[in-house]
Amino acid sequence: GESVGLHLPTLSVQEGDNSIINCAYSNSASDYFIWYKQESGKGPQFIIDIRSNMDKRQGQRVTVLLNKTVKHLSLQIAATQPGDSAVYFCAEKREYSTLTFGKGTMLLVSP
Amino acid sequence: EPEVTQTPSHQVTQMGQEVILRCVPISNHLYFYWYRQILGQKVEFLVSFYNNEISEKSEIFDDQFSVERPDGSNFTLKIRSTKLEDSAMYFCASSRETLTGAAGNTIYFGEGSWLTVV
Repeated sequence: GESVGLHLPTLSVQEGDNSIINCAYSNSASDYFIWYKQESGKGPQFIIDIRSNMDKRQGQRVTVLLNKTVKHLSLQIAATQPGDSAVYFCAEKREYSTLTFGKGTMLLVSP
Repeated sequence: EPEVTQTPSHQVTQMGQEVILRCVPISNHLYFYWYRQILGQKVEFLVSFYNNEISEKSEIFDDQFSVERPDGSNFTLKIRSTKLEDSAMYFCASSRETLTGAAGNTIYFGEGSWLTVV
C-alpha cells in the first residue's frame, strides 16, 4: 500500500526487466490521466497520457493501462534502464484543467 | 523542445518577507498554473490562470498568495508574508488549451523554484 510523508513505495528492478507501476485514483468522474517522471530536484516530466474513453495507450517503451471499473492506472516500462530511475506520479484531471497527483512510486533500476 | 522556465531556482527568505517567483510559460500556451511540492510529498495544485484572470484555485491558495501576468511573457507567483510552512518546491506549468486529452495538448512543468523560509 502507499505510505505517507517521506516514505514512498519503491519498486526495485534489474536493468532490462519490465517494470509495472500502479496507481489507484479516487474520482470516477476523472476523464484524463497523465503519468509523470520526476528526477531528484527537477520538475515533473510528461511521459504518457490517456483519456477515459481508452483502456490502453502505447508510447516508446511505455504503455499505460486504464481500468475504470476498479479505478486503476498502470504504467509499464519495457526493458528498464538505469536512466529510468526516478519517482513516478500518476495525475488525474477531475474538472477543468486541475490535475490531482498521486503520492508517487520510486523506481530504482540496478545495472 | 519548448520548455517552461522558472527563476530563481532557489531562494532563501526570512519569515514574514515577500517573495516573488517568476515563470516564462511555453510561448503558444494560454493556460498557466502554479503547483507546489513539500519535500517528500506529492505535487499539489495551487492556482490556474487564463485570459488574465484566475480560473481555479485550491484551498492552499489563500489571501497571502497572488498571481500576475505583468507582461506578455512572464507569469508570477507572489507570497506576501511567508511562513515556515511555505517552504516547498514551487512549479510553474502551462498548457496550450484546457485539458481535454486532445493529442499534443498536456501540461508541461518547469524545473521548479525551491523556496526555503527561515
